[in-house]
Amino acid sequence: NAGVTQTPKFQVLKTGQSMTLQCAQDMNHEYMSWYRQDPGMGLRLIHYSVGAGITDQGEVPNGYNVSRSTTEDFPLRLLSAAPSQTSVYFCASSYGPDSGIQYFGAGTRLSVL
Amino acid sequence: KQEVTQIPAALSVPEGENLVLNCSFTDSAIYNLQWFRQDPGKGLTSLLLIQSSQREQTSGRLNASLDKSSGRSTLYIAASQPGDSATYLCAVDNTDKLIFGTGTRLQVFP
Repeated sequence: NAGVTQTPKFQVLKTGQSMTLQCAQDMNHEYMSWYRQDPGMGLRLIHYSVGAGITDQGEVPNGYNVSRSTTEDFPLRLLSAAPSQTSVYFCASSYGPDSGIQYFGAGTRLSVL
Repeated sequence: KQEVTQIPAALSVPEGENLVLNCSFTDSAIYNLQWFRQDPGKGLTSLLLIQSSQREQTSGRLNASLDKSSGRSTLYIAASQPGDSATYLCAVDNTDKLIFGTGTRLQVFP
């Protein structure tokens, strides 16, 4: 049982480059979300999805895009990377936002130069 | 806007002590509250989930309480061990979102 799998684990980008952070879960969870974690700021919600084809913005959505074409996958796209997007990114999933434990991936550490 | 605060920000204790970590939130309209553990360079692991209708949950040496009316939760760790050293995060779940506190960094020394 793999749980929530994030790839890559580490990434270095130059300003202006684009990339996609991958997230996959094998627990048939409807709810998936992306957070970023910055020192002193805690985890902040970027985007979330309550099911395939449905996404919504969180607290800090600017500069990021998401789509949810399948239940299993929820990729996060950086359109034009900026140094302010240097952070650790976590993907999480659960059966529902009000129904249970959230499971987190191991994170992607992103540096934008 | 929901805000979650954790006190203290850091704690260093000798092995064997009983600990209390505090979490407070401003909006009592929550579905549940979760306590997580995060080891350095790792993801988050859920420790305890308390539904809004519950007052406490226990798992081994951990006990979490919830007082919705006062906007507070505590995580009690009994007989602390060096392996408990980590950052502990609380998060409240309301309106489809988890709102996190900034965590308490715990060090338990032998």
